[in-house]
Amino acid sequence: QSALTQPRSVSGSPGQSVTISCTGSSSDIGRYNYVSWYQQRPGLAPKVIIFEVSARPSGVPDRFSGSKSGFTASLTISGLQAEDEADYYCCSYTGTHTWLFGGGTKVTVL
Amino acid sequence: QVQLVESGGGLVKPGGSLRLSCEGSGFIFSNYYMTWIRQAPGRGPEWVSYIGTSGGSIYYADFVRGRFTISRDNAKNLLFLEMTSLKSEDTAVYYCARQLNWFDPWGQGTLVTVSA
Repeated sequence: QSALTQPRSVSGSPGQSVTISCTGSSSDIGRYNYVSWYQQRPGLAPKVIIFEVSARPSGVPDRFSGSKSGFTASLTISGLQAEDEADYYCCSYTGTHTWLFGGGTKVTVL
Repeated sequence: QVQLVESGGGLVKPGGSLRLSCEGSGFIFSNYYMTWIRQAPGRGPEWVSYIGTSGGSIYYADFVRGRFTISRDNAKNLLFLEMTSLKSEDTAVYYCARQLNWFDPWGQGTLVTVSA
């Protein structure tokens, strides 16, 4: 099974909004609301920032939001800050007790 | 706080074996599904395997089925991954994670390098 498709990179100036897409299929994103997003800073483990499409764990700033339409999930960072510079990965349940990650998107704050 | 700490990584030759461990603390380990996820250098994470609370439910990604074995010891709050017939493409940082319908938290990871 191929990885979920994400853009390799996105960039924005401080204060701007950026959106990262994550495209799957009818077998994963299109079927289940078990989409999560992870932020990974260099040298550290990934950390969940969105789960179940749009829920935010406590402690995650509300400038991070998630949504889904059809086979595509999206992560939006509103009011971009320097500390948001990191790699971001989407993940979806695929049924048959397996999970699929995206290839990752590098967010650069200009 | 909830914490996971992996150990057991290292350099191994192709065809060799390695056993990874993950110790959980700060939560009731036996109440949670646990999972292994790996990340090759410069790549996105790959889900590898998960195990149910009592060890009765076990699932593997196709690329490790038959070579890797997941297990757990709830009395010691430990999760294991026994890896055999290792290939160069198994080179990655291996993370354990607590599994709900998402993965949280992740351990710091342990590096497995498969090279002659």
